[in-house]
Amino acid sequence: DVKVTQSSRYLVKRTGEKVFLECVQDMDHENMFWYRQDPGLGLRLIYFSYDVKMKEKGDIPEGYSVSREKKERFSLILESASTNQTSMYLCASSLKGMEAFFGQGTRLTVV
Amino acid sequence: DAKTTQPPSMDCAEGRAANLPCNHSTISGNEYVYWYRQIHSQGPQYIIHGLKNNETNEMASLIITEDRKSSTLILPHATLRDTAVYYCIVRATGSARQLTFGSGTQLTVLP
Repeated sequence: DVKVTQSSRYLVKRTGEKVFLECVQDMDHENMFWYRQDPGLGLRLIYFSYDVKMKEKGDIPEGYSVSREKKERFSLILESASTNQTSMYLCASSLKGMEAFFGQGTRLTVV
Repeated sequence: DAKTTQPPSMDCAEGRAANLPCNHSTISGNEYVYWYRQIHSQGPQYIIHGLKNNETNEMASLIITEDRKSSTLILPHATLRDTAVYYCIVRATGSARQLTFGSGTQLTVLP
Protein backbone atom coordinates (compact mmCIF):
# COMPACT_ATOMS: atom_id res chain seq x y z
CA ASP A 1 0.00 0.00 0.00
CA VAL A 2 1.06 3.55 -0.68
CA LYS A 3 2.08 5.34 2.44
CA VAL A 4 2.19 9.10 2.86
CA THR A 5 3.53 10.06 6.25
CA GLN A 6 3.30 13.47 7.84
CA SER A 7 5.75 14.15 10.62
CA SER A 8 3.26 15.34 13.24
CA ARG A 9 -0.45 14.85 13.88
CA TYR A 10 -0.73 17.85 16.19
CA LEU A 11 1.49 20.89 16.46
CA VAL A 12 1.29 24.07 18.52
CA LYS A 13 3.51 27.00 17.57
CA ARG A 14 3.82 30.63 18.59
CA THR A 15 3.13 33.59 16.33
CA GLY A 16 6.25 34.56 14.41
CA GLU A 17 7.92 31.17 14.64
CA LYS A 18 9.28 29.44 11.55
CA VAL A 19 7.40 26.17 11.14
CA PHE A 20 8.37 23.12 9.11
CA LEU A 21 5.81 20.49 8.13
CA GLU A 22 7.37 17.37 6.67
CA CYS A 23 5.84 14.81 4.34
CA VAL A 24 7.38 11.57 3.09
CA GLN A 25 5.98 9.10 0.54
CA ASP A 26 7.32 5.65 -0.18
CA MET A 27 5.96 4.94 -3.67
CA ASP A 28 8.33 6.90 -5.91
CA HIS A 29 5.57 9.32 -6.93
CA GLU A 30 6.57 12.30 -9.05
CA ASN A 31 3.85 14.60 -7.75
CA MET A 32 3.49 15.85 -4.22
CA PHE A 33 1.03 18.40 -2.84
CA TRP A 34 0.22 20.47 0.20
CA TYR A 35 -3.36 21.45 1.05
CA ARG A 36 -4.94 23.16 3.97
CA GLN A 37 -8.45 22.36 5.12
CA ASP A 38 -10.68 24.76 7.00
CA PRO A 39 -14.34 24.40 8.02
CA GLY A 40 -16.62 25.70 5.30
CA LEU A 41 -13.75 26.23 2.85
CA GLY A 42 -12.88 22.66 1.93
CA LEU A 43 -9.42 21.64 0.77
CA ARG A 44 -7.36 24.39 -0.80
CA LEU A 45 -4.11 23.78 -2.67
CA ILE A 46 -1.10 25.67 -1.30
CA TYR A 47 1.79 24.34 -3.41
CA PHE A 48 2.60 21.32 -5.49
CA SER A 49 5.71 19.78 -6.95
CA TYR A 50 5.98 17.59 -10.03
CA ASP A 51 9.67 16.76 -9.71
CA VAL A 52 12.65 17.21 -7.43
CA LYS A 53 13.47 20.90 -6.94
CA MET A 54 10.39 21.86 -9.00
CA LYS A 55 7.43 23.63 -7.45
CA GLU A 56 4.34 25.52 -8.48
CA LYS A 57 2.02 27.78 -6.56
CA GLY A 58 -1.44 26.57 -5.83
CA ASP A 59 -4.44 28.69 -4.98
CA ILE A 60 -3.26 30.10 -1.64
CA PRO A 61 0.57 30.23 -1.54
CA GLU A 62 0.90 33.49 0.40
CA GLY A 63 2.79 33.04 3.66
CA TYR A 64 4.12 29.63 2.68
CA SER A 65 7.12 28.18 0.89
CA VAL A 66 8.09 24.62 0.02
CA SER A 67 11.17 22.51 -0.48
CA ARG A 68 11.67 19.31 -2.43
CA GLU A 69 15.29 18.25 -2.32
CA LYS A 70 14.55 14.54 -2.60
CA LYS A 71 11.80 12.79 -4.53
CA GLU A 72 10.22 11.21 -1.48
CA ARG A 73 10.11 14.31 0.74
CA PHE A 74 8.11 17.52 0.40
CA SER A 75 8.33 20.15 3.12
CA LEU A 76 5.95 23.01 3.77
CA ILE A 77 7.45 26.04 5.49
CA LEU A 78 5.62 28.79 7.30
CA GLU A 79 8.22 31.55 7.34
CA SER A 80 6.56 33.48 10.18
CA ALA A 81 3.54 31.69 11.57
CA SER A 82 0.39 33.70 12.11
CA THR A 83 -2.87 32.83 13.83
CA ASN A 84 -4.72 32.74 10.50
CA GLN A 85 -2.52 29.80 9.53
CA THR A 86 -4.13 27.67 12.21
CA SER A 87 -5.55 24.83 10.14
CA MET A 88 -5.42 21.18 9.15
CA TYR A 89 -2.58 20.61 6.68
CA LEU A 90 -2.74 17.67 4.31
CA CYS A 91 0.02 16.26 2.15
CA ALA A 92 -0.66 14.08 -0.89
CA SER A 93 1.32 12.30 -3.57
CA SER A 94 0.51 10.76 -6.93
CA LEU A 95 1.93 9.46 -10.13
CA LYS A 96 1.36 11.92 -12.95
CA GLY A 97 -2.32 12.02 -13.83
CA MET A 98 -3.25 9.28 -11.40
CA GLU A 99 -5.19 9.20 -8.15
CA ALA A 100 -3.72 10.94 -5.14
CA PHE A 101 -2.92 9.39 -1.78
CA PHE A 102 -3.15 11.52 1.31
CA GLY A 103 -1.41 11.57 4.63
CA GLN A 104 -3.29 11.68 7.92
CA GLY A 105 -2.94 15.41 8.26
CA THR A 106 -1.25 17.78 10.70
CA ARG A 107 -3.46 19.94 12.86
CA LEU A 108 -1.47 23.12 13.42
CA THR A 109 -2.46 25.66 16.04
CA VAL A 110 -0.68 29.01 16.08
CA VAL A 111 -1.06 30.89 19.35
CA ASP B 1 -11.28 21.14 -14.34
CA ALA B 2 -15.08 20.95 -14.53
CA LYS B 3 -17.18 21.88 -11.56
CA THR B 4 -19.32 19.34 -9.71
CA THR B 5 -22.54 19.61 -7.71
CA GLN B 6 -23.39 17.26 -4.85
CA PRO B 7 -26.11 17.27 -2.19
CA PRO B 8 -24.71 18.54 1.11
CA SER B 9 -25.91 15.58 3.16
CA MET B 10 -27.55 12.17 2.97
CA ASP B 11 -28.56 9.44 5.40
CA CYS B 12 -28.49 5.71 4.78
CA ALA B 13 -29.53 2.75 6.94
CA GLU B 14 -26.77 0.33 7.87
CA GLY B 15 -26.68 -2.66 5.52
CA ARG B 16 -28.53 -0.85 2.75
CA ALA B 17 -27.01 0.53 -0.43
CA ALA B 18 -25.88 4.14 -0.33
CA ASN B 19 -26.29 5.97 -3.64
CA LEU B 20 -24.43 9.27 -3.82
CA PRO B 21 -25.20 11.46 -6.85
CA CYS B 22 -22.96 13.97 -8.57
CA ASN B 23 -23.69 16.38 -11.40
CA HIS B 24 -20.88 17.43 -13.71
CA SER B 25 -22.71 18.89 -16.70
CA THR B 26 -19.65 20.75 -18.06
CA ILE B 27 -17.37 17.72 -18.12
CA SER B 28 -15.02 17.50 -21.09
CA GLY B 29 -14.27 14.43 -23.14
CA ASN B 30 -10.86 13.86 -21.57
CA GLU B 31 -11.96 14.32 -17.96
CA TYR B 32 -12.34 11.45 -15.55
CA VAL B 33 -14.73 11.30 -12.62
CA TYR B 34 -12.96 10.63 -9.31
CA TRP B 35 -14.47 9.85 -5.93
CA TYR B 36 -12.74 10.34 -2.59
CA ARG B 37 -14.00 10.21 0.94
CA GLN B 38 -12.81 11.76 4.16
CA ILE B 39 -13.59 10.23 7.49
CA HIS B 40 -13.55 12.71 10.34
CA SER B 41 -10.04 13.87 11.32
CA GLN B 42 -8.34 11.76 8.63
CA GLY B 43 -6.90 12.53 5.21
CA PRO B 44 -9.04 11.95 2.11
CA GLN B 45 -9.07 8.41 0.77
CA TYR B 46 -9.30 7.50 -2.91
CA ILE B 47 -12.31 5.30 -3.74
CA ILE B 48 -12.72 4.88 -7.48
CA HIS B 49 -12.57 6.68 -10.81
CA GLY B 50 -13.91 6.24 -14.33
CA LEU B 51 -14.18 7.82 -17.76
CA LYS B 52 -17.40 6.58 -19.35
CA ASN B 53 -17.83 2.93 -18.49
CA ASN B 54 -19.19 1.79 -15.18
CA GLU B 55 -16.50 0.74 -12.75
CA THR B 56 -16.45 -1.52 -9.70
CA ASN B 57 -13.81 -2.28 -7.12
CA GLU B 58 -13.75 -3.73 -3.64
CA MET B 59 -15.01 -0.51 -2.11
CA ALA B 60 -17.72 0.75 -4.44
CA SER B 61 -19.31 0.96 -7.87
CA LEU B 62 -19.35 4.00 -10.11
CA ILE B 63 -22.19 4.51 -12.57
CA ILE B 64 -21.68 7.23 -15.19
CA THR B 65 -24.59 8.29 -17.39
CA GLU B 66 -24.27 7.90 -21.12
CA ASP B 67 -23.97 11.66 -21.68
CA ARG B 68 -21.41 11.75 -18.81
CA LYS B 69 -23.13 14.72 -17.22
CA SER B 70 -23.77 12.92 -13.97
CA SER B 71 -22.62 9.92 -11.97
CA THR B 72 -23.56 7.90 -8.92
CA LEU B 73 -21.27 6.29 -6.38
CA ILE B 74 -22.78 3.17 -4.89
CA LEU B 75 -21.70 1.63 -1.60
CA PRO B 76 -23.56 -1.70 -1.83
CA HIS B 77 -23.84 -2.50 1.88
CA ALA B 78 -23.15 0.58 3.93
CA THR B 79 -21.62 0.20 7.39
CA LEU B 80 -21.21 2.70 10.21
CA ARG B 81 -17.56 3.07 9.17
CA ASP B 82 -18.70 4.47 5.82
CA THR B 83 -19.91 7.64 7.56
CA ALA B 84 -17.76 10.31 5.90
CA VAL B 85 -17.73 13.25 3.52
CA TYR B 86 -17.72 12.01 -0.07
CA TYR B 87 -16.17 14.15 -2.78
CA CYS B 88 -16.85 13.90 -6.49
CA ILE B 89 -14.16 15.48 -8.67
CA VAL B 90 -13.63 15.66 -12.42
CA ARG B 91 -10.14 15.97 -13.75
CA ALA B 92 -8.27 15.45 -16.99
CA THR B 93 -5.81 12.63 -16.82
CA GLY B 94 -2.27 13.84 -17.10
CA SER B 95 -3.23 17.15 -15.57
CA ALA B 96 -0.35 18.70 -13.70
CA ARG B 97 -2.73 20.47 -11.37
CA GLN B 98 -4.01 18.61 -8.39
CA LEU B 99 -7.61 17.74 -7.71
CA THR B 100 -9.96 20.55 -6.75
CA PHE B 101 -12.23 19.53 -3.91
CA GLY B 102 -15.73 20.95 -3.55
CA SER B 103 -17.92 20.75 -0.47
CA GLY B 104 -18.85 17.09 -0.91
CA THR B 105 -21.73 15.08 0.58
CA GLN B 106 -21.81 14.20 4.27
CA LEU B 107 -23.05 10.62 4.34
CA THR B 108 -24.32 9.43 7.68
CA VAL B 109 -24.95 5.70 8.05
CA LEU B 110 -27.57 5.10 10.71
CA PRO B 111 -27.72 1.95 12.86
